[in-house]
Amino acid sequence: AQSVAQPEDQVNVAEGNPLTVKCTYSVSGNPYLFWYVQYPNRGLQFLLKYITGDNLVKGSYGFEAEFNKSQTSFHLKKPSALVSDSALYFCAVRRPISSGSARQLTFGSGTQLTVLP
Amino acid sequence: KAGVTQTPRYLIKTRGQQVTLSCSPISGHRSVSWYQQTPGQGLQFLFEYFSETQRNKGNFPGRFSGRQFSNSRSEMNVSTLELGDSALYLCASSLGTDRSGRGKLFFGSGTQLSVL
Repeated sequence: AQSVAQPEDQVNVAEGNPLTVKCTYSVSGNPYLFWYVQYPNRGLQFLLKYITGDNLVKGSYGFEAEFNKSQTSFHLKKPSALVSDSALYFCAVRRPISSGSARQLTFGSGTQLTVLP
Repeated sequence: KAGVTQTPRYLIKTRGQQVTLSCSPISGHRSVSWYQQTPGQGLQFLFEYFSETQRNKGNFPGRFSGRQFSNSRSEMNVSTLELGDSALYLCASSLGTDRSGRGKLFFGSGTQLSVL
């Protein structure tokens, strides 16, 4: 089975400060890891993914995430937060196999990020 | 390219009724997945269709069903609605093959279903 944990329901940060949204995962083998963002009354939008290679992944809107295999973590980061970054963030994992239910994305419970002006 | 389109945007039904939700994927995408989002349970996978065949199914009762047409459009049906079925139902499309996009999903804005 695969699972994702987002330990913080809510993260508050001041505009201009760095932000981190935490994610840890559990999966057999090498994971495919994703971050999605959801704005109010909208679907999820893809931010970035880790498949293989460089542990630091850069994505949309200045976000990046660092894959740490030993800590089974994939934390989302941004050097300088904007008020417009306020949204619900989801981490997701799947196994790199082409069949079976494990190929589906398993999402974390989400972290509400609020950037204060 | 048009994004994933879900209709209707909002639905209000009463217990015991049935409902059909529609999803049009991005042109060229052959896989359509459905997710249920609730404040308590988060995002839960319902099922995935690929080339008109259900490829994967989540842990939901048989009242939840779906289908996919030859043009990749998909519908989801919930029969005998219960109060707990109130949720945002999200559809996501992808190319569907493992090497293409490596599982990246494109989501619609969802259908907000309220069961009274």
